[in-house]
Amino acid sequence: EVQLLESGGGLVQPGGSLRLSCVGSGFTFSNYAMSWVRQAPGKGLEWIASLSGRNEKIYYADSVKGRFSISRDNPNNTLFLDMGSLRGDDTATYYCAQDFAFLATVPSYFDKWGPGTLVTVSA
Amino acid sequence: DIEMTQSPPSVSASVGDRVTITCRASQSVTKWLAWYQQKPGKAPKLLIYTTSNLLRGVPGRFSGTGSGTEFTLTIINLQPEDVATYYCLQTHLFPLTFGGGTKVEIK
Repeated sequence: EVQLLESGGGLVQPGGSLRLSCVGSGFTFSNYAMSWVRQAPGKGLEWIASLSGRNEKIYYADSVKGRFSISRDNPNNTLFLDMGSLRGDDTATYYCAQDFAFLATVPSYFDKWGPGTLVTVSA
Repeated sequence: DIEMTQSPPSVSASVGDRVTITCRASQSVTKWLAWYQQKPGKAPKLLIYTTSNLLRGVPGRFSGTGSGTEFTLTIINLQPEDVATYYCLQTHLFPLTFGGGTKVEIK
């Protein structure tokens, strides 16, 4: 059974930094693109970043480009999101998601999701 | 960026009813559209991919149709467990974009 578990969320001051992690199990981690999707409290879903399985391609939403960095440690089945220059509108639950397609270099649909980790940016 | 507009924002229907949710794209996404179901406090769940393909285990009362710029998610014989917010997602072009969501409630 595929399982994803995010960690690293919490309260951070505006302008601060935070690193989120997502550990995957139940599948060969390096064979799947992975993504981060966030959801502000009471709001809709926003895709923010994707990374192919073997680091061939990286994609970012404009809202986080230059401030956030997605990376992965395949031997340890872990996806990361390094977040910097955090702002109030970055407050959200952050989900990691496994891509639907096996060995896809261009991420497609988000298939399996973790339960999410809440990031609150506030003074 | 491709803007995805969902309608209606919310719908209230009776058990057994048919519910239709529409997703319109600001430019063609060909067939690259998915539908998600999100229950309160939970992560979204993929229901349908590439317009009309039902994920294994998703009840057959869910169906998707469309192409280009207009897509629909239909739920026939609405059940209490279908109460959720539904989102469309286009994967034709980056940035990947979601619709604003449609909240489905039971009357």
